[in-house]
Amino acid sequence: EVQLLESGGGLVQAGGSLRLSCAASGFSFNIYAMSWVRQAPGKGLEWVSGIRGSGATTEYADSVKGRFTISRDNSKNTVHLQMNSLRAEDTAKYYCAKGSYNGNYHYFESWGQGTLVTVSS
Amino acid sequence: EIVLTQSPGTLSLSPGERATLSCRPSQNVSSSFLAWYQQKPGQAPRLLIYGASSGATGIPDRFSGSGSGTEFTLSISRLEPEDFAVYYCQQYGNSPKTFGQGTKVEI
Repeated sequence: EVQLLESGGGLVQAGGSLRLSCAASGFSFNIYAMSWVRQAPGKGLEWVSGIRGSGATTEYADSVKGRFTISRDNSKNTVHLQMNSLRAEDTAKYYCAKGSYNGNYHYFESWGQGTLVTVSS
Repeated sequence: EIVLTQSPGTLSLSPGERATLSCRPSQNVSSSFLAWYQQKPGQAPRLLIYGASSGATGIPDRFSGSGSGTEFTLSISRLEPEDFAVYYCQQYGNSPKTFGQGTKVEI
């Protein structure tokens, strides 16, 4: 059974940093793309960042480019999201999502329960 | 980026009725790279449909998807009490991957 467990969320002041982690189990982690998707309170879903299985290819939404960095440690089956220069509009629940395969055209097969990030201004 | 417009915003129906949800991309979605997700309050999204019409593992067959290009539909043949939720479409054929704003199916 696929399990994705996010951690690292919390309350931070605007301009601060947080590092989110997602521990994965139940599948061959290194052959799947992984993403972070966020949801502001009462709002819809927004893809934030993705990383291919090897970690060599990463993508970012324009709204976070230059501030967030995605990485993965395939030896520990974890994916991280380093968030710097946080803004009030980054306040959201952040979900870790498993891609359907390692290529570009993947949907999100499995989701974690999310970790809440609150940025105070 | 491709903008997905879902309609209606809210759908008020009764158990046993049929639900029809629309998703219209602002540009052609290549190779039907479109998915549907269900989200209940306080829960993570759950994959329902991928490739516009393929059901995800464990999804009841009352859920079906159809469409191509710039018009896609999610149908729920007979609403069960557990189907009342918010539904999102998502395109994954172009970067960035984008979601629609959601349709709430309420009693």
